[in-house]
Amino acid sequence: KAGVTQTPRYLIKTRGQQVTLSCSPISGHRSVSWYQQTPGQGLQFLFEYFSETQRNKGNFPGRFSGRQFSNSRSEMNVSTLELGDSALYLCASSLQSGANVLTFGAGSRLTVL
Amino acid sequence: GENVEQHPSTLSVQEGDSAVIKCTYSDSASNYFPWYKQELGKGPQLIIDIRSNVGEKKDQRIAVTLNKTAKHFSLHITETQPEDSAVYFCAASSMKLTFGQGTILTVHP
Repeated sequence: KAGVTQTPRYLIKTRGQQVTLSCSPISGHRSVSWYQQTPGQGLQFLFEYFSETQRNKGNFPGRFSGRQFSNSRSEMNVSTLELGDSALYLCASSLQSGANVLTFGAGSRLTVL
Repeated sequence: GENVEQHPSTLSVQEGDSAVIKCTYSDSASNYFPWYKQELGKGPQLIIDIRSNVGEKKDQRIAVTLNKTAKHFSLHITETQPEDSAVYFCAASSMKLTFGQGTILTVHP
């Protein structure tokens, strides 16, 4: 059974650019959550999607957005990149929304120069 | 919202010793408490979890205890091995997971 797949694994962008990250959940999982991981802030919740609808949202500016497709695959987008957006972006999937077991992908490492 | 405090931030033990990591949470509505292990270059991996209707759960060398009244829960690893070295995160959830800051566990051979 394939795990959670995130692409790309590594990317480098410059300030002001935008980036799109992709996440393919475990087959049958309908919920996808996104987290930002940095050394200083730890794991911070970005948002959760379930059945193509955003169910929860963390305290991030509007530059961070996401969406989910009918096949449960999800993308997140960060516009007007800042140096502080450099982080590991983790996607996790689960069967249902809410307090359920999350299975994480390996993450997408974003570096903003 | 939920706030999760995790201690210690670093923990160094000798192989064979026990390791204990403690977390407190603020939201009494939280009812799900997982623990994740993250190795270098990988995403967090669930190692054990407990729900609020249970006080203790054990899986081989790993155990978790939950005190709902005091709003704290702990991870216990017995007979530690070098491969247990990693970053461990606790989390609490009612509708979304809020993570602690992590504990870097180092097990010396």
